[in-house]
Amino acid sequence: DAGITQSPRYKITETGRQVTLMCHQTWSHSYMFWYRQDLGHGLRLIYYSAAADITDKGEVSDGYVVSRSKTENFPLTLESATRSQTSVYFCASCVAKNTGELFFGEGSRLTVL
Amino acid sequence: DQQVKQNSPSLSVQEGRISILNCDYTNSMFDYFLWYKKYPAEGPTFLISISSIKDKNEDGRFTVFLNKSAKHLSLHIVPSQPGDSAVYFCAAVANWSGNKLVFGAGTILRVKS
Repeated sequence: DAGITQSPRYKITETGRQVTLMCHQTWSHSYMFWYRQDLGHGLRLIYYSAAADITDKGEVSDGYVVSRSKTENFPLTLESATRSQTSVYFCASCVAKNTGELFFGEGSRLTVL
Repeated sequence: DQQVKQNSPSLSVQEGRISILNCDYTNSMFDYFLWYKKYPAEGPTFLISISSIKDKNEDGRFTVFLNKSAKHLSLHIVPSQPGDSAVYFCAAVANWSGNKLVFGAGTILRVKS
């Protein structure tokens, strides 16, 4: 199916473990993003990428790492998970025009114990 | 400091009546304003947008109004339907930012039948 897919959808891990959330899109969109959703904060940008091999930090990037070796994939890694990183994570993509119309994945719910 | 604020965490409306969701912003550099709709366990989906050069944009039952002098926008849903029950996120983006949306905290809309 075409679109944007995230995996895993649900993940429970322990403090200090490394976790990678995967994101794959089939549209060949230039831009890809990672947001986290927390109650009272809405969606906050973690990292974004304008093209393959081009990434930059967002508002809440501490403790996260991304890579984009291929246009269609944008994995997000928590190097050493903390309880404060318990959240729902959304990957999104869009074409190059700067109108903000993002297409979101279904989300990955991460719990850090 | 939140650049996009949705001060009403929730709103309850009777089916058939008008729903009005409000949003305020502080950054005068924003060029586009968007509303996203989110159902539980799904990713946000784009609903409607408005450019800063306009004061109104309409799409079926959904109308977005922008008051630049007050840095305020609102989403009107007429008539409201039970299927409109969801979380609505207001978002804003500056043309130079590369589609980096700034989201509000969201408003939960409940449409009662």
